[in-house]
Amino acid sequence: ETGVTQTPRHLVMGMTNKKSLKCEQHLGHNAMYWYKQSAKKPLELMFVYNFKEQTENNSVPSRFSPECPNSSHLFLHLHTLQPEDSALYLCASSQDGAAVALASTFGSGTRLTVV
Amino acid sequence: QKEVEQNSGPLSVPEGAIASLNCTYSDRGSQSFFWYRQYSGKSPELIMSIYSNGDKEDGRFTAQLNKASQYVSLLIRDSQPSDSATYLCAVNSDDKIIFGKGTRLHILP
Repeated sequence: ETGVTQTPRHLVMGMTNKKSLKCEQHLGHNAMYWYKQSAKKPLELMFVYNFKEQTENNSVPSRFSPECPNSSHLFLHLHTLQPEDSALYLCASSQDGAAVALASTFGSGTRLTVV
Repeated sequence: QKEVEQNSGPLSVPEGAIASLNCTYSDRGSQSFFWYRQYSGKSPELIMSIYSNGDKEDGRFTAQLNKASQYVSLLIRDSQPSDSATYLCAVNSDDKIIFGKGTRLHILP
């Protein structure tokens, strides 16, 4: 474990389902991130939270809804997803959200399959 | 559209040799550059960062940056089978991070 824990590790959901991904960091970091990693595509930054405030939304469709109740927890709520949303969703954290590339600690990811 | 380009590989290198991984980027204003290693089925791990032109060494790893040519590379000396992984180049500009697709490296025993 890296200090960033993601659950579940694997998720299969139908297009009409609602599910949530959970991320928890035990590193005392102030910034948390959601990334999407699809096959044969670059890693894509989705959302950035710094001190619980969302500071970045990279044109992510509204069927993905993030929530950050405190600096240690981050959720990604999913509803009415499409098959092309199937990917590995990675959570990450860093000490300082101003330098987003220093997201040096990633969780193990949730492998999401939309059927 | 700001881009980061990497050869997807696989790059096959004999054990003990030097592995050379290359990355080019489109935004001339980029200031920070990073290399991540990702083992199959695992999450990315930051292994090197570089901010100024020239070389930066850390153990068997050397990052090289040439801002004029918009080029950043990672050299791995004395390659080991445990270095077999996908290496992701990432560039931070305007407080946004852009990743390349990664290069798969295979060290041949």
